[in-house]
Amino acid sequence: SYELTQPPSVSVSPGQTASVTCSGDRLGDTYVSWYQQKPGQSPVLVTYQDVKRPSGIPERFSGFSSGNTATLTISGAQAMDEADYLCQAWDRSTGGFVFGTGTTVTVL
Amino acid sequence: EVQLVESGGGLVKPGESLRISCAASGFNFTTYTMTWVRQAPGKGLEWVSSISSTTRSIFYADSVKGRFTISRDSTKSSLFLQMNSLRADDTAIYYCARAPRHIVFVTADDFYYNYYMDVWGKGTTVTVSS
Repeated sequence: SYELTQPPSVSVSPGQTASVTCSGDRLGDTYVSWYQQKPGQSPVLVTYQDVKRPSGIPERFSGFSSGNTATLTISGAQAMDEADYLCQAWDRSTGGFVFGTGTTVTVL
Repeated sequence: EVQLVESGGGLVKPGESLRISCAASGFNFTTYTMTWVRQAPGKGLEWVSSISSTTRSIFYADSVKGRFTISRDSTKSSLFLQMNSLRADDTAIYYCARAPRHIVFVTADDFYYNYYMDVWGKGTTVTVSS
């Protein structure tokens, strides 16, 4: 198993761009997904397979991965985007899912 | 509508057992790997266990290995987690999630599957306290 490290918090002004990073020694060997979780709610998938977006997720959410770092970008952040964001990778050597430490995005 | 509904959570004492369930609807349950993920109060997400569509592949986090058992009943579109020897640090919301897979080709002849979680239930709360 391995660890995925995220910054504890990111702040962004409304309408600006927020970037949340996820770092891990073996990220280059796998694909990354991102989840949004608001207080008291279940996680919601916002990107998967590094760059894909599920139906219903706004286009302002985009994912990218290069080397050992994956990035979730929120372009034109809105107040409704305030939430915790967690990255996730699947470790094929163990069959286990690994979650990042989580980042609280504040829009102010 | 695709839906996952967990049930069976509650308050138990350390050392006791509990079985939680997840009822799936709106999709072909038999074709998906299913997972349990938990979240301790004020903490992040922790993967607990996964079971493949055929039940041939079952995996556990080290923190629950030997104490928890995942299973599924395709006739009832249900997922289960039997939790034994519960400890205070098992206190958490337990989420059931669907895990689609996509194929990744390393070469033309060599491939592996990669997984993510696209549908989540609302969770069931397990509290372990004396």
